[in-house]
Amino acid sequence: DVKVTQSSRYLVKRTGEKVFLECVQDMDHENMFWYRQDPGLGLRLIYFSYDVKMKEKGDIPEGYSVSREKKERFSLILESASTNQTSMYLCASSTDDNLAKNIQYFGAGTRLSVL
Amino acid sequence: RKEVEQDPGPFNVPEGATVAFNCTYSNSASQSFFWYRQDCRKEPKLLMSVYSSGNEDGRFTAQLNRASQYISLLIRDSKLSDSATYLCVVNALNSGTYKYIFGTGTRLKVLA
Repeated sequence: DVKVTQSSRYLVKRTGEKVFLECVQDMDHENMFWYRQDPGLGLRLIYFSYDVKMKEKGDIPEGYSVSREKKERFSLILESASTNQTSMYLCASSTDDNLAKNIQYFGAGTRLSVL
Repeated sequence: RKEVEQDPGPFNVPEGATVAFNCTYSNSASQSFFWYRQDCRKEPKLLMSVYSSGNEDGRFTAQLNRASQYISLLIRDSKLSDSATYLCVVNALNSGTYKYIFGTGTRLKVLA
């Protein structure tokens, strides 16, 4: 079974804090993704990575950065957390086989509250 | 117009009923399609993938109509455990990269 593990289920931070969200997958997947999910807006792609040390901006990268130093780990960084970054953050991974058909597997999510 | 549109529901149906959801998409370059199930405060989990005209798995049937650009999900003999939000996902080529585009989900409540 594919396992995507996110380091925290719930996180409470203060405005201006630097926040790290960690994601690890154990299936040797090449591709990893960070999304946020908000009511009425669905899942929106923040950043993704197709390989180690490689990153691509998604649809809403502003206020976020990422790091992929090892194949199995993809970190999302909020440089200076703001209240509008309160959300559910979901990490996903997929193989490189046939990008037109590949399936993404999700972690359990991190519910971040910024006060 | 949203790239992937779903009726948010909720669809309230009795146990044993048949229920169908539709999802429309706007990107004609869409290559593959998925239905994910998401329980409250949990992660999305793959229910079905659709690469050609349709797919069937037990009580669940997905149909794809490329000409009209919609996919449907049919659930027969609904169970209480089917209560969840169903996300329609389209994998489309966008700026040279394949990306998942999510609908906002259709909420299903199966009632005893």
